[in-house]
Amino acid sequence: DAGVIQSPRHEVTEMGQEVTLRCKPISGHDYLFWYRQTMMRGLELLIYFNNNVPIDDSGMPEDRFSAKMPNASFSTLKIQPSEPRDSAVYFCASSFGQGQHTQYFGPGTRLTVL
Amino acid sequence: EDQVTQSPEALRLQEGESSSLNCSYTVSGLRGLFWYRQDPGKGPEFLFTLYSAGEEKEKERLKATLTKKESFLHITAPKPEDSATYLCAVQAWAGGTSYGKLTFGQGTILTVHP
Repeated sequence: DAGVIQSPRHEVTEMGQEVTLRCKPISGHDYLFWYRQTMMRGLELLIYFNNNVPIDDSGMPEDRFSAKMPNASFSTLKIQPSEPRDSAVYFCASSFGQGQHTQYFGPGTRLTVL
Repeated sequence: EDQVTQSPEALRLQEGESSSLNCSYTVSGLRGLFWYRQDPGKGPEFLFTLYSAGEEKEKERLKATLTKKESFLHITAPKPEDSATYLCAVQAWAGGTSYGKLTFGQGTILTVHP
C-alpha cells in the first residue's frame, strides 16, 4: 500500500526562481497537510485541505507561498519568488477525518535556495 | 495558544539502558496527543495516539502514557535501531466540525550505543 508520495525529493534553486513541490496523498484520505521543518522552528503547519478545499492557511508565511489541490489525489505548494530563508524540508501529510485523525507523512522535499 | 515542550533535547543511552522521554503540553481541550518517530532524511512515522489521561499504549519496546499535563514515552531495553528523533504533538478540540491542527514539540534526539 503506497504511502504519501512527494516530488521532487531534493530541489536546489536560485533566489527569485519559482519552486513547485508536489504531493500525492494516500488514496481515500480526505485531509491533506503541508508542513515545513527547520532546525530553528521545528515542524510548522503551513496549510491544510479537506476534500480539496483549503481550510486553514494561517501558517503560510507570505503571499509568495500558495497551495492548490485540484483533485483528491494531487496537491502542489508553490513558492514564487523563492528566497534563501525558504530553505527547509517540506512535508506533505494526509489523514482520514472523522476518525483517528492520525496524519501520515511523506518523505519530504529538501529545498535549498541559493 | 497550544504549546508543546519536549525534554531532554537529546538523550544518549547504552543498549539495554531503559529511560523515558517527556512531553509537557498546554492545550485548550485535548483531542489527542500523538507520538511520532523521525529518522534522518525521512518523514515522521506515526507511533501512538493517546486521547485521555490514564491511557497507555505499547509497541515493542515503547510505551506511551498520558496525564492531564504531560506524556511520557518509556523505552525499555533500547537497541541501536531505536535511535531517532521522537516527536510529540497535540491536537485541540476545535469548534463544530473543524479539525484542530497538530502542534509539534521540538523533539528529543535519542541515540542508543551498542
